[in-house]
Amino acid sequence: TQLLEQSPQFLSIQEGENLTVYCNSSSVFSSLQWYRQEPGEGPVLLVTVVTGGEVKKLKRLTFQFGDARKDSSLHITAAQPGDTGLYLCAGAKNAGNMLTFGGGTRLMVKP
Amino acid sequence: NAGVMQNPRHLVRRRGQEARLRCSPMKGHSHVYWYRQLPEEGLKFMVYLQKENIIDESGMPKERFSAEFPKEGPSILRIQQVVRGDSAAYFCASSPLQGDWPQHFGDGTRLSIL
Repeated sequence: TQLLEQSPQFLSIQEGENLTVYCNSSSVFSSLQWYRQEPGEGPVLLVTVVTGGEVKKLKRLTFQFGDARKDSSLHITAAQPGDTGLYLCAGAKNAGNMLTFGGGTRLMVKP
Repeated sequence: NAGVMQNPRHLVRRRGQEARLRCSPMKGHSHVYWYRQLPEEGLKFMVYLQKENIIDESGMPKERFSAEFPKEGPSILRIQQVVRGDSAAYFCASSPLQGDWPQHFGDGTRLSIL
């Protein structure tokens, strides 16, 4: 049973479309991180959100942490083929502690 | 990938052999984490170590798996008497001193058991 549920699991869209990936849990996390992973490589950290209700922007990517710190979302505006990859959310219960990962969202952006 | 070095990148072993996976954390990082990723799945925590100490091994299988992070040298994840089900990608991550959550990952070791 996943403590962090990501949806959708797979997403195939056309270049220029917008999309949102969701990461939900019944548990409270002290922080939540989003990673992107390419085939054959390790996850690369995109952002860390710490405060409930926090919104962070990274170019065309917008990350939000839920008010209760149980859920998060990643919104991509005007997706590009270079955004293709596996997006992972991961929550930490305490500082310096293990991460609990969601199952991932595999995004494909077609030109 | 963010300075965490893992080797080997690919490792092939026959059933019953031993596998040793090495991880050198980023410079200045004293916390090391090992995760396992099965095909098409997310990462699962295995063990958290600081220099010469195992802090949390709640994700480690009870048998055949062990980990260490000596005072000098890389962290080692050791799997004895490997079985087919051990085939996976094993990732190491590191973070700085206490209080800094983000973990930076290496590119992993892909372990294949024949």
